[in-house]
Amino acid sequence: GGIITQTPKFLIGQEGQKLTLKCQQNFNHDTMYWYRQDSGKGLRLIYYSITENDLQKGDLSEGYDASREKKSSFSLTVTSAQKNEMAVFLCASSSRDSSYEQYFGPGTRLTVL
Amino acid sequence: GEQVEQRPPHLSVREGDSAVITCTYTDPNSYYFFWYKQEPGASLQLLMKVFSSTEINEGQGFTVLLNKKDKRLSLNLTAAHPGDSAAYFCAVHTGNYKYVFGAGTRLKVIA
Repeated sequence: GGIITQTPKFLIGQEGQKLTLKCQQNFNHDTMYWYRQDSGKGLRLIYYSITENDLQKGDLSEGYDASREKKSSFSLTVTSAQKNEMAVFLCASSSRDSSYEQYFGPGTRLTVL
Repeated sequence: GEQVEQRPPHLSVREGDSAVITCTYTDPNSYYFFWYKQEPGASLQLLMKVFSSTEINEGQGFTVLLNKKDKRLSLNLTAAHPGDSAAYFCAVHTGNYKYVFGAGTRLKVIA
């Protein structure tokens, strides 16, 4: 088995601030994802990375940057936090070798003051 | 691209009753399908996967059915209990590294 860790668990920022969320996985999965989930809603894809140093935009990439420095880690940056940014950000990973089962981290809950 | 519609958005059943959640998808070439459970305040937990070559998969207290002809995926909780109260999401792997998720079903099981 493996695990996905996300830091921090809770993130409080000021409007206009640049904020970074981090994700680590030890599944040795090739592909990693960042999703945003608003309260009571579904998941929206922000960025994904097929392999190390690759970046692909999802449906909600505007206002975000991402970085895949190594296979096990994937970071997401909110470039200028907005009040409507308050949501839970979920990191996930998957691999063709595991039949594309996608596993999720515990999430980072973002609050913008 | 692939589109997934999940129904119903909210579902309330009594303990011991069955609960059925359905997703319909559009791409006949989709091959991998997943169901996730999300308890309040928690992340998504993988419940079950089903491949295009299988039609029925059984877990603890639930069954997943795939109807390829109708492009319909369903999750049947056979005898719901309060611990099943959660949000459930279906997901379809699109073949280009991306997944399309249903909007979710909020299930409440009343004791």
